[in-house]
Amino acid sequence: QKEVEQDPGPLSVPEGAIVSLNCTYSNSAFQYFMWYRQYSRKGPELLMYTYSSGNKEDGRFTAQVDKSSKYISLFIRDSQPSDSATYLCAMKTDSWGKLQFGAGTQVVVTP
Amino acid sequence: DGGITQSPKYLFRKEGQNVTLSCEQNLNHDAMYWYRQDPGQGLRLIYYSQIVNDFQKGDIAEGYSVSREKKESFPLTVTSAQKNPTAFYLCASSIMGEQYFGPGTRLTVT
Repeated sequence: QKEVEQDPGPLSVPEGAIVSLNCTYSNSAFQYFMWYRQYSRKGPELLMYTYSSGNKEDGRFTAQVDKSSKYISLFIRDSQPSDSATYLCAMKTDSWGKLQFGAGTQVVVTP
Repeated sequence: DGGITQSPKYLFRKEGQNVTLSCEQNLNHDAMYWYRQDPGQGLRLIYYSQIVNDFQKGDIAEGYSVSREKKESFPLTVTSAQKNPTAFYLCASSIMGEQYFGPGTRLTVT
């Protein structure tokens, strides 16, 4: 069983809809959680970085962490075609620890 | 402009040849990393370095080697011992726990 599970998609949504992405994990020691966006043939771009449980909002993006359920989510409001990309979750046990990545979810936002 | 550069963007090699991928950063980050990405899989850590002249193996170090002689540079050599070298290679650097990635090098070995 992988430490971090992420549905590969593709997830197709119409423009303007809310995109909902999630990851589950098995290691209860994970405390730092990240979401990256990766366009085709490009390097991942850090979108959100959160510590422990709770919500964090940045513009159209909201990250949620539920440590009791070992479940993290990323919501994208008012989705745009430019949001079409692969979204990777990642997590680690301490600030300087190694990142464990999910396999990524491909998102397609159709005009 | 600060950032991480990787060169070349595309690289083609014959089986049995060693090849070195370049990674340079001007962000003054102490830690640097090399990952491999294959279709349908997440990023897998090859090697990482937290300070100059020191580096550690990641989860899939076999068939790879690195050096860290300067803070700005962390080259990766893919040796002929790596059984499946064709992949997308990503370099990253980090500060305060936040990890940033370069644009990647796509290596094809035939």
